[in-house]
Amino acid sequence: GENVEQHPSTLSVQEGDSAVIKCTYSDSASNYFPWYKQELGKRPQLIIDIRSNVGEKKDQRIAVTLNKTAKHFSLHITETQPEDSAVYFCAASMGANSKLTFGKGITLSVRP
Amino acid sequence: DADVTQTPRNRITKTGKRIMLECSQTKGHDRMYWYRQDPGLGLRLIYYSFDVKDINKGEISDGYSVSRQAQAKFSLSLESAIPNQTALYFCATQEGGRATDTQYFGPGTRLTVL
Repeated sequence: GENVEQHPSTLSVQEGDSAVIKCTYSDSASNYFPWYKQELGKRPQLIIDIRSNVGEKKDQRIAVTLNKTAKHFSLHITETQPEDSAVYFCAASMGANSKLTFGKGITLSVRP
Repeated sequence: DADVTQTPRNRITKTGKRIMLECSQTKGHDRMYWYRQDPGLGLRLIYYSFDVKDINKGEISDGYSVSRQAQAKFSLSLESAIPNQTALYFCATQEGGRATDTQYFGPGTRLTVL
C-alpha cells in the first residue's frame, strides 16, 4: 500500500520567515495530495490540496508544489505568523474509492 | 465543524472493559472513517465505510469493530480495551463518489485505558 513520509518531524522558524514542509509518497498511482492543519487541541482541517494534473497551487500565504517524477510534494508558507504554529499532515490517495494515507505529521513552531 | 460530532469527548476506562465511541454527522455524507492519533505516529485508519452497507478494515483494525447504523451514524467499539488503545480517536466524513473530496473531522474522543 501507499506510504507517506514527512520530513522533518519538527520545524521552528522566526515570525515573518518562510516555512517549507516536505512529503514523499511511494505509489506512483497516487493522484490526490491534501494538507491538513491541526492546531493544539483541535481537529485536523484541510488547508490546501493538489491533484496530479497540476504542479503548483496557491492560496494566499500557502502553496503546494508537486513533483510526480520524484514522488514528493511540499507545503510552502510565506510570511509566517504565530497562528501558523500547528501540526501539519500531508496525505495521498489514488482517487475514487481509495482511502487517504497520512504522514506522521510535522510540528511547526513560529517564534515571535 | 459542528456538523460532525463525537461522544463521549473524554473517557477513562479499565483494561478489559467494552467501550463504544459514537460519531454522528448532519452533512449528508456517504463516507465515514475512524482514525486514531498517537504522538509521533500521525493519523492511522482503523475502519471506513463508503455507505451504510459497506464496511472496510483500515491499517490497524485489530481489537476494534464498527457499526454503521445509518448514513449519519458510525460507531467504533473496543470489545476488550487494553492500555495500548489509549489514544485520541477521530471520526471523519467525506462526500461520496470521489476520494478527492475533503474529509471533515469530528472534535475527537480522548480515550484512556488504565
